[in-house]
Amino acid sequence: DIQLTQSPSFLSASVGDRVTITCRASPGIGNDLAWYQQTPGKAPQVLIYSASNLQGGVPTRFSGSGSGTEFTLTISGLQPEDFATYYCQQLKSYPITFGGGTKVEIK
Amino acid sequence: QVQLVESGGGVVQPGRSLRLSCAASGFTFSSYAMHWVRQAPGRGLEWVAGISYNGRNEHYADSVKGRFTISRDSSTNTVFLHLNSLRPDDTALYYCARARGIYSFDFWGQGSLVTVSS
Repeated sequence: DIQLTQSPSFLSASVGDRVTITCRASPGIGNDLAWYQQTPGKAPQVLIYSASNLQGGVPTRFSGSGSGTEFTLTISGLQPEDFATYYCQQLKSYPITFGGGTKVEIK
Repeated sequence: QVQLVESGGGVVQPGRSLRLSCAASGFTFSSYAMHWVRQAPGRGLEWVAGISYNGRNEHYADSVKGRFTISRDSSTNTVFLHLNSLRPDDTALYYCARARGIYSFDFWGQGSLVTVSS
């Protein structure tokens, strides 16, 4: 099975900050990685697909990069509505797996 | 617009069964693979099962293999998850999600809560 390790698991930041979340895959997965945002009481929503492609309707302050074993999600200029939990997901092979999540809270 | 509406959750005793349904609308159901993802209270996301667009291929997480079965009915645009031999650690909010190829799960329902408790 492909393991995804997200870091950090918890992050405290201020409005306007640049935030970076890392997801490491073992073994490598090419670029078959998606990022999701989940706010309390809501279903996850896709932000990024194929590692670096912005989902339609998602603000451009979100960006993704990486391939193979290391990926990053960057939020450039954190907004109040961005305080949420973020998950990476690999779709390279079954079983599909998610990272453990990164909770972004207000400092 | 795309809508996924789950139903069928509830409180069930350990060892019993339950069937979840996900009614899909707003897209060509027979063109998309569908999945179930669960989230235990206060925990992260766990993929549970997936079924191909034509229903011919099914995949399961090891944690549910042999106990859960995914199926779909294109005449009613519904995907099902049959949960058998339920255990307390199956307690979770179960989401139905549409797969956009191998790229992402691009639409999700609001979830159906399953609680396994005596």
